[in-house]
Amino acid sequence: AQKVTQAQTEISVVEKEDVTLDCVYETRDTTYYLFWYKQPPSGELVFLIRRNSFDEQNEISGRYSWNFQKSTSSFNFTITASQVVDSAVYFCALSEAGYSTLTFGKGTMLLVSP
Amino acid sequence: DADVTQTPRNRITKTGKRIMLECSQTKGHDRMYWYRQDPGLGLRLIYYSFDVKDINKGEISDGYSVSRQAQAKFSLSLESAIPNQTALYFCATEGHGSTDTQYFGPGTRLTVL
Repeated sequence: AQKVTQAQTEISVVEKEDVTLDCVYETRDTTYYLFWYKQPPSGELVFLIRRNSFDEQNEISGRYSWNFQKSTSSFNFTITASQVVDSAVYFCALSEAGYSTLTFGKGTMLLVSP
Repeated sequence: DADVTQTPRNRITKTGKRIMLECSQTKGHDRMYWYRQDPGLGLRLIYYSFDVKDINKGEISDGYSVSRQAQAKFSLSLESAIPNQTALYFCATEGHGSTDTQYFGPGTRLTVL
């Protein structure tokens, strides 16, 4: 069975600090997909990134970067120079090949203070 | 206009009442999903549908039913609402392809008194 663990339930930082959100997953499949979603205080879920299991290249998008390591079954998310607008709950999710259903972690609440 | 819409956005009801939550999408996606979100538990899958004739139970389907009226519409019903069904409910859609991603509606906040 697939499982996603986000061990950090809540993180507080001061603006401009860098912060890393951890995600560890479990799956028996060799082909799978990993996702990050953002849920700001307004409540909607915003898609951030999708990564397939065959692509271990790290990705950078502006202040956001993702580090995928199959050896440790981790898909961590780093925000550089955090801003107050980054305050949100962030979810990591996993989908196994052949199934479209997503298994979510419990989320990490990030609070960025001015 | 939003690609995935949910109605109502907020609903307060009483124990024992029948409630229907509706989801519509203009993305032309075949696959649709219903999730519920509870504080500290993340999102859990209730039901999903890969096309109009296909309905599948998710992790927590007890107490819920669904109807896929058309490719664009997927409704979730609580036949007899109970207080522990108080939650934030999300509909999501996904196209059929190897690079597709689930896109979520704005959510419905349901309170059962």
